[in-house]
Amino acid sequence: QQQVKQSPQSLIVQKGGIPIINCAYENTAFDYFPWYQQFPGKGPALLIAIRPDVSEKKEGRFTISFNKSAKQFSLHIMDSQPGDSATYFCAASISQGGSQGNLIFGKGTKLSVKP
Amino acid sequence: DSGVTQTPKHLITATGQRVTLRCSPRSGDLSVYWYQQSLDQGLQFLIQYYNGEERAKGNILERFSAQQFPDLHSELNLSSLELGDSALYFCASSVVADSYNEQFFGPGTRLTVL
Repeated sequence: QQQVKQSPQSLIVQKGGIPIINCAYENTAFDYFPWYQQFPGKGPALLIAIRPDVSEKKEGRFTISFNKSAKQFSLHIMDSQPGDSATYFCAASISQGGSQGNLIFGKGTKLSVKP
Repeated sequence: DSGVTQTPKHLITATGQRVTLRCSPRSGDLSVYWYQQSLDQGLQFLIQYYNGEERAKGNILERFSAQQFPDLHSELNLSSLELGDSALYFCASSVVADSYNEQFFGPGTRLTVL
């Protein structure tokens, strides 16, 4: 199983700070990179996603930066709020072939935003 | 609420037993995915069905099996349970089996094997 490596494992920031979560992948066949947010007791929910033909995508306070040559992508949360406290997972998948759509997840980053 | 329902919410059983987890996808979604979430392994893809047919397998043990029925609901069967099978099991659904289609996750079933 191809890996997606995520760091850091946990992150504490003050309200208004900009937490950054990084992910690296190995399989160059990956062509879809979503980020999921999970609150305690809930299932993961899609936050934002990017394809490798763009280097950055913004949705509200959330930005994905993508570096295809380095095989890395990251999530930035602008003006973070206590309500953003959750576990964030990066993931990757392949759009072609028998494994299409199956998400390979990073191990997760537990974010805590202090008021 | 994602629109994906899973039952039961919690399940406590003993080693060696067999359990069945049930998932109803969002209305109109043809593809169902099962994932296992544990502290040590994280979120791992187990198996995918599309319109009743198995599409792909991930890290699914031979003791585990699944199926998708004509009404598109899916069941994950876990047999000869071991302590290490204790985990959260999530079902997700998407419109089609395509990488770019958002997967909507259910609330999960927490399995505890004693």
